Amino acid sequence: GIQVEQSPPDLILQEGANSTLRCNFSDSVNNLQWFHQNPWGQLINLFYIPSGTKQNGRLSATTVATERYSLLYISSSQTTDSGVYFCAVAVGGSGYSTLTFGKGTMLLVSP
Amino acid sequence: EAGVAQSPRYKIIEKRQSVAFWCNPISGHATLYWYQQILGQGPKLLIQFQNNGVVDDSQLPKDRFSAERLKGVDSTLKIQPAKLEDSAVYLCASSLAGGPRETQYFGPGTRLLVL
Repeated sequence: GIQVEQSPPDLILQEGANSTLRCNFSDSVNNLQWFHQNPWGQLINLFYIPSGTKQNGRLSATTVATERYSLLYISSSQTTDSGVYFCAVAVGGSGYSTLTFGKGTMLLVSP
Repeated sequence: EAGVAQSPRYKIIEKRQSVAFWCNPISGHATLYWYQQILGQGPKLLIQFQNNGVVDDSQLPKDRFSAERLKGVDSTLKIQPAKLEDSAVYLCASSLAGGPRETQYFGPGTRLLVL
């Protein structure tokens, strides 16, 4: 099956700093999502981004499908950004497909 | 719009006991997923339903795990008998039609501890 690798595994930032999280995947995908899992365990969709670039406030994401990687940018980080960030991908054409998650990047933003 | 609901939020049982989890997806969502998330790892799909039919249960340990989705809405996931390695968070998610390009929406999860 498809392999998803995320880096770095852990990241500690001071409030206000910027960061870049990376997701590498081993095959062509037609679905790539970034999620944030908050300290209470809730998984929140951040982006659906199988290709191209999207921005939402202080967060943005870029997926270069031909090179099989995606980047999540967090600017001016806040303590509420703490948690685990997951990249999940799916392969396949029509019909149903399964999301495969990476192991995540654990982010801690200190005041 | 209400999100995905799950209960209970926490459960502690002894090994060899049985346990059941409940999920109510977002209204109108045909596809429902159960994931297992072990500490320090990403969620792993256990079973996927399309309405009340199973689409994918290839990673479900069928000797001890079972799931059903009667009437194509609510779903229950059961473990019988539980093992220590079943300690994990069990996440339910739903999507509109289950297509490969759809966003999945997750519930808050049920934290299971098996002693």
